[in-house]
Amino acid sequence: EAGVAQSPRYKIIEKRQSVAFWCNPISGHATLYWYQQILGQGPKLLIQFQNNGVVDDSQLPKDRFSAERLKGVDSTLKIQPAKLEDSAVYLCASSPGTGEFFGPGTRLTVL
Amino acid sequence: DQQVKQNSPSLSVQEGRISILNCDYTNSMFDYFLWYKKYPAEGPTFLISISSIKDKNEDGRFTVFLNKSAKHLSLHIVPSQPGDSAVYFCAALSQGGSEKLVFGKGTKLTVNP
Repeated sequence: EAGVAQSPRYKIIEKRQSVAFWCNPISGHATLYWYQQILGQGPKLLIQFQNNGVVDDSQLPKDRFSAERLKGVDSTLKIQPAKLEDSAVYLCASSPGTGEFFGPGTRLTVL
Repeated sequence: DQQVKQNSPSLSVQEGRISILNCDYTNSMFDYFLWYKKYPAEGPTFLISISSIKDKNEDGRFTVFLNKSAKHLSLHIVPSQPGDSAVYFCAALSQGGSEKLVFGKGTKLTVNP
């Protein structure tokens, strides 16, 4: 069974630039999550989708972050404009209902 | 406000000995607890979990103990192997609530040969 795919794996940008991350969850998994993991901390949930609907985006900085899952499968997370403090690993996870399966993450460095 | 705390950022043990990783939580609504293991450049992978109706769950070399009154759980790895070297995250959720996973900061375990 293929795991959660994420791209790119690494991204370096300058502050105020825009960036987008892509996630392809495990086939059939209705729930998709985006987490932000800052160095030295645990993953923090940014947004949770159930199919193509948002379940929880209470910790998503909506002034600069946006996410969509238009067809209920793949998802993109966008940051516009990026700040230095956005440097982190962005993890995508999917779930069939119980248990979360994480992708390898995208490491973002904002200079 | 850190609801899940892993107060030891790192732990080093000898191969063959026991590794004990600790986790404390503050939210009494949490009723399901999970441990994840993370290697560098990979996402976290699920290791073991425990429901609040139990005080112990065992899976091979891994055992998780839950002390609800102390709001404390621990992960025991016996015997420890060099391949266990990774960052271990404790996570908790409230099944009757938002079911949002709340993670601790992680403990980096190093098992020395």
